[in-house]
Amino acid sequence: QQQVKQSPQSLIVQKGGIPIINCAYENTAFDYFPWYQQFPGKGPALLIAIRPDVSEKKEGRFTISFNKSAKQFSLHIMDSQPGDSATYFCAASKDPDKLIFGTGTRLQVFP
Amino acid sequence: DVKVTQSSRYLVKRTGEKVFLECVQDMDHENMFWYRQDPGLGLRLIYFSYDVKMKEKGDIPEGYSVSREKKERFSLILESASTNQTSMYLCASSLPYGGGSISYNEQFFGPGTRLTVL
Repeated sequence: QQQVKQSPQSLIVQKGGIPIINCAYENTAFDYFPWYQQFPGKGPALLIAIRPDVSEKKEGRFTISFNKSAKQFSLHIMDSQPGDSATYFCAASKDPDKLIFGTGTRLQVFP
Repeated sequence: DVKVTQSSRYLVKRTGEKVFLECVQDMDHENMFWYRQDPGLGLRLIYFSYDVKMKEKGDIPEGYSVSREKKERFSLILESASTNQTSMYLCASSLPYGGGSISYNEQFFGPGTRLTVL
């Protein structure tokens, strides 16, 4: 019940495409769902986060879609750019102090 | 800007050695974390500290211990390093749970220490 399952493991898109990364969780007590972005040689950094009282949140070109009944949430990157090439981690928690991370998705955006 | 620094970017140790990984944050955060990152496994929490001298085990504490004598510094100790502890180790810090903003609980990560145990 503590796992967060993330897919796909890797993703390759062309510039302008809309990569979608999916995550699923089991614990219905989870109430905080952040996405972290990690560039090579750097630590992860918070990209966007959502709580389950909304079904969608947009920040710039990044959107989280949240389906509480299905216990799934996803990250969409609109008009993807080569600079978005990074590893993305979803996470979930019922206590934001203790995050359960997904296994990560390596995104490559080609010009 | 929050800055989390880790003492080494790369470290090579021998099996059985005692290894210290140091982490310092400059934003007066109460919470500090140690994770290990392995391909295909994501980030897994080793230990968590919510105050000086306070600690909680994470998901994979076996073979590790921690020390937090000062608020800004959190150390990870491998008492007797083994080859299966070869990994990327990430330190993070955050404010304690609370606050109205959803970004209030953001964890700020250091650049990581890549540890190789031979």
